[in-house]
Amino acid sequence: QLQLQESGPGLVKPSETLSLTCTVSGGSISSSSYYWGWIRQPPGKGLEWIGSIYYSGSTYYNPSLKSRVTISVDTSKNQFSLKLSSVTAADTAVYYCARIVIAARRGPNTNWFDPWGQGTLVTVSS
Amino acid sequence: DIQMTQSPSSLSASVGDRVTITCRASQSISSYLNWYQQKPGKAPKLLIYAASSLQSGVPSRFSGSGSGTDFTLTISSLQPEDFATYYCQQSYSTLIFTFGPGTKVDIK
Repeated sequence: QLQLQESGPGLVKPSETLSLTCTVSGGSISSSSYYWGWIRQPPGKGLEWIGSIYYSGSTYYNPSLKSRVTISVDTSKNQFSLKLSSVTAADTAVYYCARIVIAARRGPNTNWFDPWGQGTLVTVSS
Repeated sequence: DIQMTQSPSSLSASVGDRVTITCRASQSISSYLNWYQQKPGKAPKLLIYAASSLQSGVPSRFSGSGSGTDFTLTISSLQPEDFATYYCQQSYSTLIFTFGPGTKVDIK
């Protein structure tokens, strides 16, 4: 059973860089059938997709965050990582990692997030 | 950018009620629409993918329908464990995803 686990600092100072890692267990991050993604949820608010990465390193980012986001993958460790620069209080959120299923046989853009990690709260504060 | 809206933003219902949640896209997204359930303090869980396909292990009281711009999630007989927030999510834009704002279902 595939599991994802987020890890990283729970507190980041304003203007600094938020760094999180997602460790994938129970399956290979190098599968051609999946992308891997980051999603965040500010306290009491909805879900926001941050970006996605393929095992080859190909990335897609939310246009609203693109200038500050870098997602990378380390296939040898079965991990992918998120860096978000120049953070402010508005970046305080629970950050989730998730597998993105690519079900191309059902249609070119038939993708969904499953499963998800449990999430990790990152607070931006001095 | 494709924007997603949901209605209502919240609803109160009783156990056994039939519940319908609507999701609307700002442009046609064919059937590239997924539904998730989120309970407090937990990660979202996939319920429905490709507008109407039930994820394995999800109870059959959940169903999805729609295509183009208008979609619905229906719970045929609300159970106590169904009180949660429900999100729609589009995947029409190649690997650029958007979620709806959510619909909270609570106990009447």
